[in-house]
Amino acid sequence: QQQVKQSPQSLIVQKGGISIINCAYENTAFDYFPWYQQFPGKGPALLIAIRPDVSEKKEGRFTISFNKSAKQFSLHIMDSQPGDSATYFCAAREYSGSARQLTFGSGTQLTVLP
Amino acid sequence: NAGVMQNPRHLVRRRGQEARLRCSPMKGHSHVYWYRQLPEEGLKFMVYLQKENIIDESGMPKERFSAEFPKEGPSILRIQQVVRGDSAAYFCASSPTSGGNNEQFFGPGTRLTVL
Repeated sequence: QQQVKQSPQSLIVQKGGISIINCAYENTAFDYFPWYQQFPGKGPALLIAIRPDVSEKKEGRFTISFNKSAKQFSLHIMDSQPGDSATYFCAAREYSGSARQLTFGSGTQLTVLP
Repeated sequence: NAGVMQNPRHLVRRRGQEARLRCSPMKGHSHVYWYRQLPEEGLKFMVYLQKENIIDESGMPKERFSAEFPKEGPSILRIQQVVRGDSAAYFCASSPTSGGNNEQFFGPGTRLTVL
């Protein structure tokens, strides 16, 4: 089964700090890499996404860094706020044949201390 | 513009009963995906449907689980003869197309508890 490995499992950051979550993959057929944010009792919400032909994408305080040769990508949250406390999932999609599903990492529970 | 809707939000069943989970995609979206999330884990793909067609069911258990997306009405995920291991959150996502980035937008989920 195709996997996406995510770390760390949990992360505690002070308000104003930088939160960094890392993901790695093996399947070179993955062509789209979104990050989702999930609050308790809610569904995942798309945060930001990147294609492998781009090394970095920034939207507000959120930045994805992508290293195609290393098959790794990461989410950086600048100026982290208590409201960012949530579980973050990286994901990857293989676009082949009829396959369109997302393969998710195991999640990172982020806590931002006030 | 309503998002993806799922109902019920919570469902309790006894072992051996049937569970029916419903998903209404976002307006204009004709592609539906079902995922299952066990406690403290990421989401696992189950099935991908378009109107009246199952496109990819590679993540569906071979027995007791079925899904449909009729021409009219919501998509249905059906679990027959539920067992305790079926207890999980079931999420539906929809996308407007299958091409490009086919961004998937998720509903709030149905939390199934099997007693």
